[in-house]
Amino acid sequence: GENVEQHPSTLSVQEGDSAVIKCTYSDSASNYFPWYKQELGKRPQLIIDIRSNVGEKKDQRIAVTLNKTAKHFSLHITETQPEDSAVYFCAASPGYSTLTFGKGTMLLVSP
Amino acid sequence: DSGVTQTPKHLITATGQRVTLRCSPRSGDLSVYWYQQSLDQGLQFLIQYYNGEERAKGNILERFSAQQFPDLHSELNLSSLELGDSALYFCASSEGQISYNSPLHFGNGTRLTVT
Repeated sequence: GENVEQHPSTLSVQEGDSAVIKCTYSDSASNYFPWYKQELGKRPQLIIDIRSNVGEKKDQRIAVTLNKTAKHFSLHITETQPEDSAVYFCAASPGYSTLTFGKGTMLLVSP
Repeated sequence: DSGVTQTPKHLITATGQRVTLRCSPRSGDLSVYWYQQSLDQGLQFLIQYYNGEERAKGNILERFSAQQFPDLHSELNLSSLELGDSALYFCASSEGQISYNSPLHFGNGTRLTVT
């Protein structure tokens, strides 16, 4: 089955800095890569997703890049704000199976 | 609001007891998924149903069972509860198999505390 590795487990940045979270996947059949943001005690929320025929997608301050050859994808957050503090999960799906999540990255943005 | 409804929000029970968690998927979604999230842990996939039929199983204990009813709501039954079963249980739904056109949306979860 699919295996998703996520790094780092914790990331601390100053407000205004950029943050990058990286994930690798194992199943070359995976073709859908969503990212979820989970604030403390709340549900995971889909913030951005990308499919395998697209190399990059941007939505305001967040962007996701995908390298199919290397089987890795990354989340980029620019101009971080304290409200960006949360746990971020990457995930991958081959379409015929369920979503496999990474273990999460706790992002702390200090004012 | 994701449109996925879970009840109850909180549940406190004793070891050895049995509980039922309920989930109503978003309107139009046929797939329901159950996830367990323990303290400092990631999202552990338990089980998936599609239009009433079990579609995939993850790390679900034999003490746990689930079903999806004709109206598409789902229930997760946890029995012979142990302290280690204390966790946040999420239900999620998608229109069909998870894809760019059928993303996964989570409910607000049920926090289970076993004492």
